Amino acid sequence: EPEVTQTPSHQVTQMGQEVILRCVPISNHLYFYWYRQILGQKVEFLVSFYNNEISEKSEIFDDQFSVERPDGSNFTLKIRSTKLEDSAMYFCASSENANQPQHFGDGTRLSIL
Amino acid sequence: ELKVEQNPLFLSMQEGKNYTIYCNYSTTSDRLYWYRQDPGKSLESLFVLLSNGAVKQEGRLMASLDTKARLSTLHITAAVHDLSATYFCAAGPYGGATNKLIFGTGTLLAVQP
Repeated sequence: EPEVTQTPSHQVTQMGQEVILRCVPISNHLYFYWYRQILGQKVEFLVSFYNNEISEKSEIFDDQFSVERPDGSNFTLKIRSTKLEDSAMYFCASSENANQPQHFGDGTRLSIL
Repeated sequence: ELKVEQNPLFLSMQEGKNYTIYCNYSTTSDRLYWYRQDPGKSLESLFVLLSNGAVKQEGRLMASLDTKARLSTLHITAAVHDLSATYFCAAGPYGGATNKLIFGTGTLLAVQP
């Protein structure tokens, strides 16, 4: 069964550094998403991406964050100048259309020191 | 702004027993999803509910949706240990431009032998 893949599985970074989290969505899916889950808390929406542009973003997704689809398969989340509070599990998801369930990757655990 | 609440937050139950997890949402939604998350793992889609009165069943789990009450339930029948996990409901804002999901707080289910 096709799946969403994310790399790396764990990223440790010094505060203030930039990180790029990578995702390969399911190939025939058109909608892409990033969510994050701080340890022990609920999953929070960050951003959605469709037709090569951001379609919606949350208050969390400020100027520190950016997303890109650099080629036909990858979908990346960049966090500039990381902060301690950015430590979380970041999930990428994709869906075929707006009503179909989103398929989630295994996540990248980001630890900011 | 759409808010999603679940209860209980934690549920300890014995094998063979039945129980229900409740998911309330604050404003109109046209999409309700249930996901399962095992510790340290990703989110697995369980059910998609798109209309009032929708009922879906898979094995020992049954989900329903009452859009007038803004309530979804996940009913567990004759629980077994393998069902131990955290269960999230998630709703999509009505008429939203994208498929962003607002997640509930999650219910940690522990099935004791």
